[in-house]
Amino acid sequence: DSGVTQTPKHLITATGQRVTLRCSPRSGDLSVYWYQQSLDQGLQFLIQYYNGEERAKGNILERFSAQQFPDLHSELNLSSLELGDSALYFCASGGTVGRGNYGYTFGSGTRLTVV
Amino acid sequence: AQTVTQSQPEMSVQEAETVTLSCTYDTSESNYYLFWYKQPPSRQMILVIRQEAYKQQNATENRFSVNFQKAAKSFSLKISDSQLGDTAMYFCAFMIAYSGAGSYQLTFGKGTKLSVIP
Repeated sequence: DSGVTQTPKHLITATGQRVTLRCSPRSGDLSVYWYQQSLDQGLQFLIQYYNGEERAKGNILERFSAQQFPDLHSELNLSSLELGDSALYFCASGGTVGRGNYGYTFGSGTRLTVV
Repeated sequence: AQTVTQSQPEMSVQEAETVTLSCTYDTSESNYYLFWYKQPPSRQMILVIRQEAYKQQNATENRFSVNFQKAAKSFSLKISDSQLGDTAMYFCAFMIAYSGAGSYQLTFGKGTKLSVIP
C-alpha cells in the first residue's frame, strides 16, 4: 500500500457520459498531481493542486476538471467522454521539495474504459 | 520545457545477467532531479532510483545503479543480476529542483519494456 488511495480501480462507461475519479493523498502531503497514461501518449501530466488551490495545468482537456477539498482529497471530473479518453489515470502525492521529499508516491490508478 | 527520450522501446535480458536502459533529456535548468520508475504488469508506478543533478556521485539502490552524465544529459539505468520480477515497463522522468510556483510535475519518457528471460 503506497498510502495514496484511488477509487474506483476500474470504470466502464459509455461515450458522452461523465465520471468522477477520486484520490486521497498520503498523510501529510498537500500536493496532488493527476496523470493520464494512454497507449500512444505515455504518461502525461494533467493538473496539480496544492492545499486546495490549483497550482499547475498540463495537457488537460477543457472537458476535464479537478478540485481538491479541505480534507485534501481530490477529484478528477471527466465529461462528454470520448473513446480516446480510455486510459489509466494516476494520482500522485508529494513532490514537495521543501519537505525534503522530492519524489512522488503514486496511487494504483483508475482504469477508465469508454465504450 | 523539458523533454525525456528513451530510445529503446523494448529490451530483453537473460536471468542473472546485466542490462542497461538508456535515457537522454533536454533542459536549460541547472538543478533538477532524475528518476527511474518501474511499472510491472500490475500497473503500479514504483520508484526505483533517483539522482540529484548537483551530485556527481551516481546513485545506487541494491542491484540498480545509474550512470549520470550531466554534460551529455544522459541518465542510464543498470540492472545487475536480473530477476524475473524485474520484468516491467521502465520510465525515465525529470523534475526541476525549484519551482517558484511550487509545482513539481514529472516529465516522463515513453518507456522501455524490459523482459527478463528464464
